[in-house]
Amino acid sequence: GENVEQHPSTLSVQEGDSAVIKCTYSDSASNYFPWYKQELGKGPQLIIDIRSNVGEKKDQRIAVTLNKTAKHFSLHITETQPEDSAVYFCAAGTGGFKTIFGAGTRLFVKA
Amino acid sequence: EAQVTQNPRYLITVTGKKLTVTCSQNMNHEYMSWYRQDPGLGLRQIYYSMNVEVTDKGDVPEGYKVSRKEKRNFPLILESPSPNQTSLYFCASSLDRDTEAFFGQGTRLTVV
Repeated sequence: GENVEQHPSTLSVQEGDSAVIKCTYSDSASNYFPWYKQELGKGPQLIIDIRSNVGEKKDQRIAVTLNKTAKHFSLHITETQPEDSAVYFCAAGTGGFKTIFGAGTRLFVKA
Repeated sequence: EAQVTQNPRYLITVTGKKLTVTCSQNMNHEYMSWYRQDPGLGLRQIYYSMNVEVTDKGDVPEGYKVSRKEKRNFPLILESPSPNQTSLYFCASSLDRDTEAFFGQGTRLTVV
């Protein structure tokens, strides 16, 4: 069936460094790829998304890249800050009407 | 304030005792979903609804039921809960499937 694989499961970086999280998806009909941030005790919140007709999108310190041929998309966070510490999820909408999430990446930013 | 409201936030119940987790959104969204979150497994979609009276199975629908009689409400029903349904549950809504999803605060369910 459809799936989304996310790596790494845990990522620890020094404040000011960059963080990269990678996801691959299986359904070639997927067209929408959001990234969510989940802070402790809260529901996930969208931080950035990208559609299949775009290769890259940037919003201040956050960027997402998409390679449809390889079925691969990545989240890049530059100049990380302690408040970036959270769990990050990638997701992909399938060719049907489901949404599949990755298993999540726990990001630690050390001050 | 635009929001998705789930109730209850915490629930401890016994095996076999029917329960309902309510979900309501005030954004006039068409698409609503239920997810369960388990350590190491991320968010897995249980059921989704494209609009009123249209629902379909996600990846882990066994043991759950839903209904969508009104656009704003999408309750999750566990007819006979079992311990393997102990989890953190999230309801979400969006304009359609491929737009930003707004999540509720979550319901932590324990089945003993």
